[in-house]
Amino acid sequence: DQQVKQNSPSLSVQEGRISILNCDYTNSMFDYFLWYKKYPAEGPTFLISISSIKDKNEDGRFTVFLNKSAKHLSLHIVPSQPGDSAVYFCAASGNNDMRFGAGTRLTVKP
Amino acid sequence: KAGVTQTPRYLIKTRGQQVTLSCSPISGHRSVSWYQQTPGQGLQFLFEYFSETQRNKGNFPGRFSGRQFSNSRSEMNVSTLELGDSALYLCASSLVAVAGNEQFFGPGTRLTVL
Repeated sequence: DQQVKQNSPSLSVQEGRISILNCDYTNSMFDYFLWYKKYPAEGPTFLISISSIKDKNEDGRFTVFLNKSAKHLSLHIVPSQPGDSAVYFCAASGNNDMRFGAGTRLTVKP
Repeated sequence: KAGVTQTPRYLIKTRGQQVTLSCSPISGHRSVSWYQQTPGQGLQFLFEYFSETQRNKGNFPGRFSGRQFSNSRSEMNVSTLELGDSALYLCASSLVAVAGNEQFFGPGTRLTVL
């Protein structure tokens, strides 16, 4: 059962533009959400998180938005840089559980 | 502070064999989780161990098992290997429980089953 879905397997954007990565979840018990970034041959690294009591969290070029009623979150990267090219995983946790999406491969073209 | 380490990094086995993967968490971290990553499936949760007890388990067959030692190091075992078990196996540690906390991932063990 895919409780966390990232429906876009890939995304390509131009350097300097905005990248928007989307994630949907089905389990209403999830109350903490995270984004991880993964480069080839490395394990995922934590990027940014948001608690269900908030609807937005910002860290530099990265902003995560949470829409609880729609069970949807998104990661905005502004401006996008070539070094942002990686696979991005959305994760949702709650009730002693942690689930990841399938990932979105972001390519930022110079 | 040393990161999460996983051994071995690469492994080739044949169908029917068994394999044991090892994970050493960041010092002080008590929670260790295991994930399987395959193309198109993302990170599939296998199980989480906390203070030597399995706290949570994903939807994997009983051929997949694990354990955690008193020093928080963890091992994962897969018996009667199948071709579909070929994947990157990632271990992640966190200070306390996995839920609600950032996890730190190791580089993974690439398992190939022939």
